[in-house]
Amino acid sequence: SQTIHQWPATLVQPVGSPLSLECTVEGTSNPNLYWYRQAAGRGLQLLFYSVGIGQISSEVPQNLSASRPQDRQFILSSKKLLLSDSGFYLCAWSAEQSGGEKLFFGSGTQLSVL
Amino acid sequence: SQQGEEDPQALSIQEGENATMNCSYKTSINNLQWYRQNSGRGLVHLILIRSNEREKHSGRLRVTLDTSKKSSSLLITASRAADTASYFCATDEDYKLSFGAGTTVTVRA
Repeated sequence: SQTIHQWPATLVQPVGSPLSLECTVEGTSNPNLYWYRQAAGRGLQLLFYSVGIGQISSEVPQNLSASRPQDRQFILSSKKLLLSDSGFYLCAWSAEQSGGEKLFFGSGTQLSVL
Repeated sequence: SQQGEEDPQALSIQEGENATMNCSYKTSINNLQWYRQNSGRGLVHLILIRSNEREKHSGRLRVTLDTSKKSSSLLITASRAADTASYFCATDEDYKLSFGAGTTVTVRA
């Protein structure tokens, strides 16, 4: 069966520090991978998605970047965090290459930038 | 990008009652999905309804889709305390899903 792992669960970082959030998927190959951010009490904002190794599409210009060094690994990074980067970050994957099919979400990372 | 909008924003009901929430969207879709999120957790897929379907059932869930009105509804029958969560609709656009702000449902015992 397929599983998705996302870590850490909670992170408190000072402004200006770097960030690295990692997400891995098991039990499937060539998934579509996604990073979403959720502000408190709000909906999800798509940040990045990837349909293959090294292929990253950015949805919103921002202080973050994403990389996909391996088929089932998706990393969200920042060189210098801003206060506005605080939020709940969710990684997700889907199996269908045509897109638009159901997403499987990780358990999320609560990031607080102080 | 296209985004569904749920209504109401919040809903409080007694255990055993039905809960209904609505989703409106703006452009043509291939499918519409509903997800549930418990506080502080990831989203869980509930049901997917395709644009050529009008109604779909899954256990105590009933979803309708009216493409002429660009709207969908999610009905939870005989609610339980465990149904307390936020519910989101999502519409597809290429490889991506766009989510609304959600409806927060509280089921009182």
